[in-house]
Amino acid sequence: DQQVKQNSPSLSVQEGRISILNCDYTNSMFDYFLWYKKYPAEGPTFLISISSIKDKNEDGRFTVFLNKSAKHLSLHIVPSQPGDSAVYFCAASFTGNQFYFGTGTSLTVIP
Amino acid sequence: EPEVTQTPSHQVTQMGQEVILRCVPISNHLYFYWYRQILGQKVEFLVSFYNNEISEKSEIFDDQFSVERPDGSNFTLKIRSTKLEDSAMYFCASSEAGRRNSPLHFGNGTRLTVT
Repeated sequence: DQQVKQNSPSLSVQEGRISILNCDYTNSMFDYFLWYKKYPAEGPTFLISISSIKDKNEDGRFTVFLNKSAKHLSLHIVPSQPGDSAVYFCAASFTGNQFYFGTGTSLTVIP
Repeated sequence: EPEVTQTPSHQVTQMGQEVILRCVPISNHLYFYWYRQILGQKVEFLVSFYNNEISEKSEIFDDQFSVERPDGSNFTLKIRSTKLEDSAMYFCASSEAGRRNSPLHFGNGTRLTVT
């Protein structure tokens, strides 16, 4: 039951360029979306969130876009830095308790 | 910055044995969670806990699993009779009370290996 999908398992980007990570969901009840970053041997770290009443949320180099009609969200990182290399998970919720995670996209930023 | 801590970082156990995974959530958080990630797969929700009771659980969280908040700081996950397929990274998380749209803060996980 894959309610949240990240179809790109990996992405490589040159340092300084934009990284765009994509996420699709199937459940129209979802109203809160988050992006997490995960380094090896660590737990996921919260990056940025967006509620369904918005279509964009920005925090420094990170911007999340939400397209409710397409059931699609994306994370933009500009400019990308080598320290951004990690696995990125999107997650979604409609109860505020249970979050559904995607399978992750491994981002490599090449110096 | 306050963080969620989990112990042990790695637990090896034999099939059929009981294990207890321990977590200390962030002190002013009142919602607690357990998630797991089987190697190469997605992070999966197990259970959420609030006000000393389970508020939501997934199909994975069957009768062999239980959670407890034995004191004011610890939050534990017990697996009564471990199976090989329980081998995974188990993540504890917590979030602020009273805010529905509140992000989860995760610990670094316990890697459980069942042999």
